Amino acid sequence: SAVISQKPSRDICQRGTSLTIQCQVDSQVTMMFWYRQQPGQSLTLIATANQGSEATYESGFVIDKFPISRPNLTFSTLTVSNMSPEDSSIYLCSVYTEAYEQYFGPGTRLTVT
Amino acid sequence: AQSVSQHNHHVILSEAASLELGCNYSYGGTVNLFWYVQYPGQHLQLLLKYFSGDPLVKGIKGFEAEFIKSKFSFNLRKPSVQWSDTAEYFCAVNTGGFKTIFGAGTRLFVKA
Repeated sequence: SAVISQKPSRDICQRGTSLTIQCQVDSQVTMMFWYRQQPGQSLTLIATANQGSEATYESGFVIDKFPISRPNLTFSTLTVSNMSPEDSSIYLCSVYTEAYEQYFGPGTRLTVT
Repeated sequence: AQSVSQHNHHVILSEAASLELGCNYSYGGTVNLFWYVQYPGQHLQLLLKYFSGDPLVKGIKGFEAEFIKSKFSFNLRKPSVQWSDTAEYFCAVNTGGFKTIFGAGTRLFVKA
């Protein structure tokens, strides 16, 4: 199993600003995953954060908008840059254990005004 | 493209009623199937999973799900729901590697 914490739990930000979300895991993992969950919609994978290499982004997500850091095997950050109201969402950090089971952080609820 | 469809976005039941939440996916190969649950104010957590073998799998809190390969379905069931089952339920499909596709979720509200 894995215990994941995220900071902040929620924030209200102004249009055009940036927010950095932190994710901490209680064990070392090779890959960490960032998801977005928009109201009434499914979880959408933003990117995969690998320690020691560039993050891998899914279609529709770019590094300039969602830069990711992965300085060690237990920590990652996701920045939401130049925010607009469309970025209002819940952002989730996740890791896999064996057999492709996922553990999720509590999420960061972002509101952009 | 691969996708996961959950039939109901909102379900309201009275306690002791039976529950069935539908889930269909589009992928022709081997899949690993999951149901995740998010209770109010809590993390998403695994409810049950299917990898191979008996297509009827049992999870926590009395939930079960049946994999019907011919129908590309993995429906979640519980014979008698409780107020504490109020939550959002997500069906998810893993087609290998670290790519899991999630359904849109079903919000279940159980009336006491």
